Amino acid sequence: GAVVSQHPSRVICKSGTSVKIECRSLDFQATTMFWYRQFPKQSLMLMATSNEGSKATYEQGVEKDKFLINHASLTLSTLTVTSAHPEDSSFYICSARDQGLAGDSDTQYFGPGTRLTVL
Amino acid sequence: AQSVAQPEDQVNVAEGNPLTVKCTYSVSGNPYLFWYVQYPNRGLQFLLKYITGDNLVKGSYGFEAEFNKSQTSFHLKKPSALVSDSALYFCAVRPLGGFKTIFGAGTRLFVKA
Repeated sequence: GAVVSQHPSRVICKSGTSVKIECRSLDFQATTMFWYRQFPKQSLMLMATSNEGSKATYEQGVEKDKFLINHASLTLSTLTVTSAHPEDSSFYICSARDQGLAGDSDTQYFGPGTRLTVL
Repeated sequence: AQSVAQPEDQVNVAEGNPLTVKCTYSVSGNPYLFWYVQYPNRGLQFLLKYITGDNLVKGSYGFEAEFNKSQTSFHLKKPSALVSDSALYFCAVRPLGGFKTIFGAGTRLFVKA
């Protein structure tokens, strides 16, 4: 099946530093990847949609200068939280759709998530 | 507005009993419907989906879901619950031709031994 990996799984950083989270589709090409944020005991909040080779589309209320998204290849998207603050602490999850000809283009597959703690 | 409702925050069931996790949706046109499961500190795992065809869809780990167009529902079911089924379950919908997937708030399932 389609596998999405995320790295790191857990990161603790000091306030003011930047953190990069990688999302990779391991066995399929992902033209589109999605970044979500999940607060405790809550549903997923879509932050942005990233398309390979073009700028990400951010949801309303999400600061694009704070959450930098790069989708440099068909298998890799990165989310960089710049100048992180304690309120950025959260669980970040990426997702990808396999839009190749032989793939299941209907289903989103999710990474295991990254727990970010900003001290 | 397009939306997904999971009316129960929590469902409790005894091991071996059947379980149902409810989901209703409101979208224009025909929907793609999905169920995902999330274990603590993990991402979402795909369980099953309905695109078209038979209203009863079978998925992973013995789960199934029934699409009911007239009631705009897509309830998740399992004939015999296991303690290991205890997790957070999300219903999701994407309108045909749409780009974004809309997620419900999630239902926490507790299966007691």
